[in-house]
Amino acid sequence: GQQVMQIPQYQHVQEGEDFTTYCNSSTTLSNIQWYKQRPGGHPVFLIQLVKSGEVKKQKRLTFQFGEAKKNSSLHITATQTTDVGTYFCAGPKSGGSNYKLTFGKGTLLTVNP
Amino acid sequence: GAGVSQSPSNKVTEKGKDVELRCDPISGHTALYWYRQSLGQGLEFLIYFQGNSAPDKSGLPSDRFSAERTGGSVSTLTIQRTQQEDSAVYLCASSLSSDGRGAFFGQGTRLTVV
Repeated sequence: GQQVMQIPQYQHVQEGEDFTTYCNSSTTLSNIQWYKQRPGGHPVFLIQLVKSGEVKKQKRLTFQFGEAKKNSSLHITATQTTDVGTYFCAGPKSGGSNYKLTFGKGTLLTVNP
Repeated sequence: GAGVSQSPSNKVTEKGKDVELRCDPISGHTALYWYRQSLGQGLEFLIYFQGNSAPDKSGLPSDRFSAERTGGSVSTLTIQRTQQEDSAVYLCASSLSSDGRGAFFGQGTRLTVV
């Protein structure tokens, strides 16, 4: 079945440093979605990318969707303590009639002030 | 409702008892997911409902777990003869398949089996 893998599993940075998490799917995705889960909270949708090679920015966050639509990355510039949380990617398999989202296991980001 | 509602928010049960967890998705959302999340871990897929299609039950860990979605809306996840390893947060999410706004998660039910 479809698998979505994220690396790294954990990342600890000093405030102000950059952070990147990578997402790789075993199958081509119709789109890629990113979610953030704060400690003690539930996952919250951040963004969706649809097009091959697409890049989107949200303030200090930059999201990329690979040319083959099988991988994606989230880059945070100059991390802040408010960035702490687990970042998940998710995507539905391309070409299927079933829109089931498959989630990666997430990357836990901690930021030292 | 305005968001995905789950009840109860917390449930403590004795080993061997059955529990029912409820999810009320956003009105009109055709897709509904159940996930399980153990402390500090990722999302473990359990079951997926899409419209009137047969549910994808491939993530259910054992035959003690079952779920229903009545009338395409409210869903109930039932765990029979609970075990201590069932202790986790059970998250429900709903979505429209193609509106670009992703899936909306409920606050979860924290299940503790003692």
